[in-house]
Formats: sequence, structure tokens, C-alpha cells
Amino acid sequence: DSGVTQTPKHLITATGQRVTLRCSPRSGDLSVYWYQQSLDQGLQFLIQYYNGEERAKGNILERFSAQQFPDLHSELNLSSLELGDSALYFCASSVGPGETYEQYFGPGTRLTVT
Amino acid sequence: GDSVTQMEGPVTLSEEAFLTINCTYTATGYPSLFWYVQYPGEGLQLLLKATKADDKGSNKGFEATYRKETTSFHLEKGSVQVSDSAVYFCALSKGGADGLTFGKGTHLIIQP
Repeated sequence: DSGVTQTPKHLITATGQRVTLRCSPRSGDLSVYWYQQSLDQGLQFLIQYYNGEERAKGNILERFSAQQFPDLHSELNLSSLELGDSALYFCASSVGPGETYEQYFGPGTRLTVT
Repeated sequence: GDSVTQMEGPVTLSEEAFLTINCTYTATGYPSLFWYVQYPGEGLQLLLKATKADDKGSNKGFEATYRKETTSFHLEKGSVQVSDSAVYFCALSKGGADGLTFGKGTHLIIQP
């Protein structure tokens, strides 16, 4: 158990809908990362927040957005969903920004768009 | 842009065999390098890391050495066990854009 929690574990929704994925980082971690894992694209970095502020953006679509709240939990919002958005979405957390800090991954949310 | 290339497998070995999973990277500057492992139905766990050239990361019998001259970070283990069966990901990270860049993953199957 990494200490990172993600809800829900599974999510099934229809094309065109909007969903929110939630992540609670490990106690004491200020940085939260979101990743997408799909069969064709592999694991891709989406976005990072540090202490409530956006710090880095990866391959995140404009239909996707995220935020980190004062209690440090984070939410990833996916809108106008398409079949290709079906994937595993992972959240990770670390103590601080910077590449030398270990990232701890949550168990993931499996999103299925039908 | 930055990228990581690794053998995708599946790689099938017998228990107690020697393991090598190759990983090479393309990046400007001086990235940190990582190996992560993913067991079925679970998230990723950091296996080992190296933050500068010639560093050797090691954990649970696994080792990898950061080779800047060959831009490689190959994973090795002297004697694998059935419990090592998993998907292994090589990754890099650079300061300023702190997300990890992953390889496609190598599915390792160890047979008794």
C-alpha cells in the first residue's frame, strides 16, 4: 500500500459525458501527478500540481482539467468523453517537486467509455 | 522530445535464470532514471533509481547502472523468482518538467 488513494476504482460512462476522478496523496506529500495508461499510448504524464499550483503539463487534452485543493487532494476532470479516453488513470504523489523525489502511485481508476 | 525505449516482451524465463531488460533513453541535459514495477491489478512501485552518470541503483536483488556514454539503464537480476513476474517500466525525469517519461513496459514471466 503506497498511501495514495484514488476513487472510484472503476467508472463506466457514455461518450459525451463528464467524470471526476479523485486522488488523495500520501500524508506529507505536496506534489500530485496524473498519468494515463492505455494499450496504444502506454503510460503518459498528464499534469502536475505542487501545493495547490499547477507546476508542469504533459500530454493533457484541452477537454481534461485538474486542480489541487487546500487539503492537497486533487481531482482530474474529463469532459466530452470519447471512446479513446478509456484507460487507467493513475495519480502519484511526492514530497516535493523535482526529479529526485520518489513518486508513489495509487492503485488507479479504470475508466471505460461506451 | 525525450523518450525511453525498452524491449516489450513478453520475456519468459525459468526460475533462477539471469535477467536483463534493456533500456535506452533520449534526452537533453541530465535526467534521473528509474525502474518501476507493476504487478497485476496494482499501481506502479519504484524499484530503483539513479540520479547521475555512473550511479548504480539497487533493490531486492535488482540492479541498474546509469551509463551516459551509451544512454542506457539496463535492469539486471542474478536469479529470478516466480514472484518477479510483472511488468517493468523504465522511466526518466528532468527538473522543470517533473512528470516521468516512461518506456512501453516489459512483461516478464517467470516459470517454475
